[in-house]
Amino acid sequence: DQQVKQNSPSLSVQEGRISILNCDYTNSMFDYFLWYKKYPAEGPTFLISISSIKDKNEDGRFTVFLNKSAKHLSLHIVPSQPGDSAVYFCAASLGSGTYKYIFGTGTRLKVLA
Amino acid sequence: GAVVSQHPSRVICKSGTSVKIECRSLDFQATTMFWYRQFPKQSLMLMATSNEGSKATYEQGVEKDKFLINHASLTLSTLTVTSAHPEDSSFYICSAKGVSIETQYFGPGTRLLVL
Repeated sequence: DQQVKQNSPSLSVQEGRISILNCDYTNSMFDYFLWYKKYPAEGPTFLISISSIKDKNEDGRFTVFLNKSAKHLSLHIVPSQPGDSAVYFCAASLGSGTYKYIFGTGTRLKVLA
Repeated sequence: GAVVSQHPSRVICKSGTSVKIECRSLDFQATTMFWYRQFPKQSLMLMATSNEGSKATYEQGVEKDKFLINHASLTLSTLTVTSAHPEDSSFYICSAKGVSIETQYFGPGTRLLVL
């Protein structure tokens, strides 16, 4: 049972435009969400996170939106740059104290120059 | 962000041998370390969680006698794949978090190929 889902395996966006990556989850007990960026044969790099008490968190070109009623979060990258091309994973954490992350299946973003 | 290293980055071994992978937090004390594996084009699957000085907690379906985890210090955790078989070939990634750090920081991963 996939508790965290990224339904789009890939996404192509023109340089300078907005990239929107989506993530859905099923467990309402998740209270902390994160986005990681990953290049092939490398470990994930932390991008941005959001607590369930917020609905938006912004850091430079990256903004994460959380819609708890829909159990949905999204990552917006604007403007997109060719260096953003990578696989993006969303992750959810099951309550403070466990710190276990459940990862989605990833979305491969390709930013076209 | 915090820095986590893994060694080796790539290892090839014969079936039946054991392989040890090290995970180090370089600039913070990691009270908790996590071990993941990733198959091609799939997500990261948590194998086990280890807290410094105590036994690791394994996820369902992960054999603790096959994947030995030791977290002897606040900066080092090791994963030993015992009696490796070709189906153990995978990308193994560790992550670490500190006491006051909510986020897990990941190492660069170790590619294991068992022949």
